[in-house]
Amino acid sequence: EVHLLQSGGGLVQPGGSLRLSCAASGFTFTTYAMTWVRQAPGTGLEWVSSISGSGDSTFHADSVKGRFTISRDNSKNTLYLQMNSLRADDTAVYYCAKSKYQLLVDAFDIWGQGTMVTVSS
Amino acid sequence: AIQMTQSPSSLSASVGDRVTITCRASQDIRNDLGWYQQIPGKAPKLLIYDASSLQSGVPSRFSGSGSGTDFTLTISSLQPEDFATYYCLQDYNYPRTFGQGTKLEI
Repeated sequence: EVHLLQSGGGLVQPGGSLRLSCAASGFTFTTYAMTWVRQAPGTGLEWVSSISGSGDSTFHADSVKGRFTISRDNSKNTLYLQMNSLRADDTAVYYCAKSKYQLLVDAFDIWGQGTMVTVSS
Repeated sequence: AIQMTQSPSSLSASVGDRVTITCRASQDIRNDLGWYQQIPGKAPKLLIYDASSLQSGVPSRFSGSGSGTDFTLTISSLQPEDFATYYCLQDYNYPRTFGQGTKLEI
């Protein structure tokens, strides 16, 4: 069964750092681009970052560029989101998601369970 | 960035109703659009990809249409489990952009 299991998240002070993880199983991880999407409380979905299967190409939303870094360890079938210089408006549930096909820009067919990140003093 | 304008933002309907949600892109995105359903407290779920292809396991009462800039999601006969929020997402380029969402309420 294809599955994404998220970990990390929690409460962090403004200016702090946090790393989210997303462990994949049930598919050939290195073949598929992966993505992070977030949802602030009571609001809609916002794309955050994406990475190619090989890890050679990465994309970040302007709102996180220079502060967040998406990466992956294909030997561990794990996706990461390193979040630095966190701000209150980064408070959200963060989801990892798998691309449906072996394309860099694609629909997201499998999602993680989500993890809450709260930035507050 | 491509802007995705979704309407309506909320919709009241009853079990058995036929409902349509629309999404308009600020530029031609071919058929590179997906529709997602989100139940409160849960992760989004892919319903439709490539504008009109039904994701495996999704009931056939869901359908999608459109190309270019105008797209629709139709639910032919609402079931109780369909009351949720629906989002469109353009799969054309980066930055990826979602519509604002449509909350479907009883």
